[in-house]
Amino acid sequence: DAKTTQPTSMDCAEGRAANLPCNHSTISGNEYVYWYRQIHSQGPQYIIHGLKNNETNEMASLIITEDRKSSTLILPHATLRDTAVYYCIVRVRNAGNMLTFGGGTRLMVKP
Amino acid sequence: DVKVTQSSRYLVKRTGEKVFLECVQDMDHENMFWYRQDPGLGLRLIYFSYDVKMKEKGDIPEGYSVSREKKERFSLILESASTNQTSMYLCASSPPGQGAGGANVLTFGAGSRLTVL
Repeated sequence: DAKTTQPTSMDCAEGRAANLPCNHSTISGNEYVYWYRQIHSQGPQYIIHGLKNNETNEMASLIITEDRKSSTLILPHATLRDTAVYYCIVRVRNAGNMLTFGGGTRLMVKP
Repeated sequence: DVKVTQSSRYLVKRTGEKVFLECVQDMDHENMFWYRQDPGLGLRLIYFSYDVKMKEKGDIPEGYSVSREKKERFSLILESASTNQTSMYLCASSPPGQGAGGANVLTFGAGSRLTVL
């Protein structure tokens, strides 16, 4: 699997957009980018995934650069409940058996 | 709306006890997983299963076994609990490889925090 690099922590003001970056410079052509988050004392929650096109759902938007070496998860209007650790994972689409969660980014949304 | 249910949120056991952690999912998923999560080590895969009565070792299977007698239920067993198995245990499930989500879209339970004294 391609290795990912994320900042250890970030702050965001409530109501503002939270932009969480992820570098995956060794990503291969058939690997997808997945984002999960984990709110304190809960299990991780799937957010979104994509291959090369930008994706949007009810939770977030995913922007993948044209060379696919990096991506950004965007929470358009962050709330206090978005405070969590956000994990960026790169993986071949149908290989769910060994999904590896790294350190992630601890996002703190502040009032 | 709970889709992956772990039987116990908190357990306290003694060294040497046999421990069962139960996980049930109601999404008819083929794939089920057991992870443990420890500070500084992230989530590590213990065992997974692609089908009933089928199991595969993950990264850290030593000291654990699993059972999958029914599609919706995946149990993690600690035959003889030890203090180094004190951890948060997370169960997850996912659909098979085909389909829009793909096998990497995991739904997790709330976790079971096990303390072994």
